[in-house]
Amino acid sequence: KNQVEQSPQSLIILEGKNCTLQCNYTVSPFSNLRWYKQDTGRGPVSLTIMTFSENTKSNGRYTATLDADTKQSSLHITASQLSDSASYICVVSHMDTGRRALTFGSGTRLQVQP
Amino acid sequence: EPEVTQTPSHQVTQMGQEVILRCVPISNHLYFYWYRQILGQKVEFLVSFYNNEISEKSEIFDDQFSVERPDGSNFTLKIRSTKLEDSAMYFCASRGAGVGTGELFFGEGSRLTVL
Repeated sequence: KNQVEQSPQSLIILEGKNCTLQCNYTVSPFSNLRWYKQDTGRGPVSLTIMTFSENTKSNGRYTATLDADTKQSSLHITASQLSDSASYICVVSHMDTGRRALTFGSGTRLQVQP
Repeated sequence: EPEVTQTPSHQVTQMGQEVILRCVPISNHLYFYWYRQILGQKVEFLVSFYNNEISEKSEIFDDQFSVERPDGSNFTLKIRSTKLEDSAMYFCASRGAGVGTGELFFGEGSRLTVL
């Protein structure tokens, strides 16, 4: 069964600290992996898209890693800011019965406190 | 910066009523999607639309749901007879040409409350 599991479910950190969010997936065949940031009550906004051949991709203070062998990805946030408080969703694109499909994780809710 | 726009931002309706949620995808995009997110739960796929027809739909997208692209800009989701469990945030998304890694752009969502 195609699944995307994220951990932790929620996380509280102090402003300025770093954190790492995890994503494990079991989808096959893999196409790409995306990380989205979703502010409360808003639509998801893309942070990174990683293909099979990419191990690391950065977008400002966000750095995503991908290990296609172990089917794991992480999102590292450096020097967190209050505005980083949001849900971070891991989404894996794969083929399903000949069609491209996206499987969403449940997200990690990050709260950055002053 | 181009964006996906959705209206209304919030709609309250009575159970059994018809609801139409509207979306204006990014102008040069070719693939369109509807997703929903029940409060506190994960985003769920409803339907994808390409070349003026549904290309894929989930089991959630039953006969009560329909989509339409009535003109060159709007993409609508209709719920024919709403149920309490249809209460959710509905997101429209669009993607440009290319089957590969095209980025998916989401709208801000339409919150539907069914009473």
